[in-house]
Amino acid sequence: DSGVTQTPKHLITATGQRVTLRCSPRSGDLSVYWYQQSLDQGLQFLIQYYNGEERAKGNILERFSAQQFPDLHSELNLSSLELGDSALYFCASSAPAGTGELFFGEGSRLTVL
Amino acid sequence: GIQVEQSPPDLILQEGANSTLRCNFSDSVNNLQWFHQNPWGQLINLFYIPSGTKQNGRLSATTVATERYSLLYISSSQTTDSGVYFCAVPGYSTLTFGKGTMLLVSP
Repeated sequence: DSGVTQTPKHLITATGQRVTLRCSPRSGDLSVYWYQQSLDQGLQFLIQYYNGEERAKGNILERFSAQQFPDLHSELNLSSLELGDSALYFCASSAPAGTGELFFGEGSRLTVL
Repeated sequence: GIQVEQSPPDLILQEGANSTLRCNFSDSVNNLQWFHQNPWGQLINLFYIPSGTKQNGRLSATTVATERYSLLYISSSQTTDSGVYFCAVPGYSTLTFGKGTMLLVSP
């Protein structure tokens, strides 16, 4: 158990819909990272938050957004879903002023039908 | 950005065999992690190893940062070792992953 909690574990929805994925980082970690893993793209970095502020953006679509709340949990919002958004979405956290080692949650598997 | 290449892409072993997985990276790094993604999709931290050698049970890893590669050794493989092994190094803001080595250990 990495200490990073993600919900839901599985989600099935239809094209055009909107979903929210939730992540709670390890106790004491201030950084949260979101990754997408699809069959053809591998593990792709989406976005990072640090203590409530956006720190870095990767290959995140405009239809996707995220935020980190004062209690440090984070949510990834995916809207106007397309078939190609079906993927495993991972959240990771890292310790403040640490080595940069990332710890991943179990992922949320999204299926868009 | 930094490039990460893993080899071999696929590997099939009989239970009990040993294997070596390789990770090459294109630039100097101060961080390298190995992960195992099991058949259920979970990403499990194996090693944080920016340099040197570490061992954890049947698994060990060596990173030679000056030569830009890392090796993951699996000894006496078991069926539960099956899955995909990823190495990852710092890229833009966070870790950049290789495409992984898919390992299948048959009984």
